[in-house]
Amino acid sequence: DTAVSQTPKYLVTQMGNDKSIKCEQNLGHDTMYWYKQDSKKFLKIMFSYNNKELIINETVPNRFSPKSPDKAHLNLHINSLELGDSAVYFCASSPTVGTEAFFGQGTRLTVV
Amino acid sequence: DQQVKQNSPSLSVQEGRISILNCDYTNSMFDYFLWYKKYPAEGPTFLISISSIKDKNEDGRFTVFLNKSAKHLSLHIVPSQPGDSAVYFCAASVGDYKLSFGAGTTVTVRA
Repeated sequence: DTAVSQTPKYLVTQMGNDKSIKCEQNLGHDTMYWYKQDSKKFLKIMFSYNNKELIINETVPNRFSPKSPDKAHLNLHINSLELGDSAVYFCASSPTVGTEAFFGQGTRLTVV
Repeated sequence: DQQVKQNSPSLSVQEGRISILNCDYTNSMFDYFLWYKKYPAEGPTFLISISSIKDKNEDGRFTVFLNKSAKHLSLHIVPSQPGDSAVYFCAASVGDYKLSFGAGTTVTVRA
């Protein structure tokens, strides 16, 4: 039974499209995150939600909008996709902010 | 600006020997440090952590050492096994704030 699951695993789309990535955790954690792993392999935090409230919002274009309908879900919606958005996006959760995070398997987004 | 740096992109070690992975950080406020392991096409998996009040934490074959004065962290894997071949990420946080990750070190364990 997967602890942090995100869908889809692969996403290929054209520039200008709008897409969403879904994430669910069944660990009962309070905090969920979105991380981006770029071409240089750095994992960088994008957003963090704690009990459905946004607590971390890094310098991310406002084309990226996270939505947390409940504590177990954190979805990422991306508008007007650009070539530079191509990356692997990881969802994660942790008991509280800053403690060990449990990651999903990643979504490889390719914008063509 | 990268506050957590892993300057060795790769490490090759023979099975049974020790693997030593290094990590340096610049933010002296970091008080919690973690190591993650990542296989291809999977998400990172938590391995071991250490808080700034300690200088060593051990879990089976994995030991993490923290040298606060040098702002240096290391992970020792003894003995190294083929299943340890993966990318290892160092991460750090300040209080309850976000995790900052290094770029990762790819470990290859040779039979």
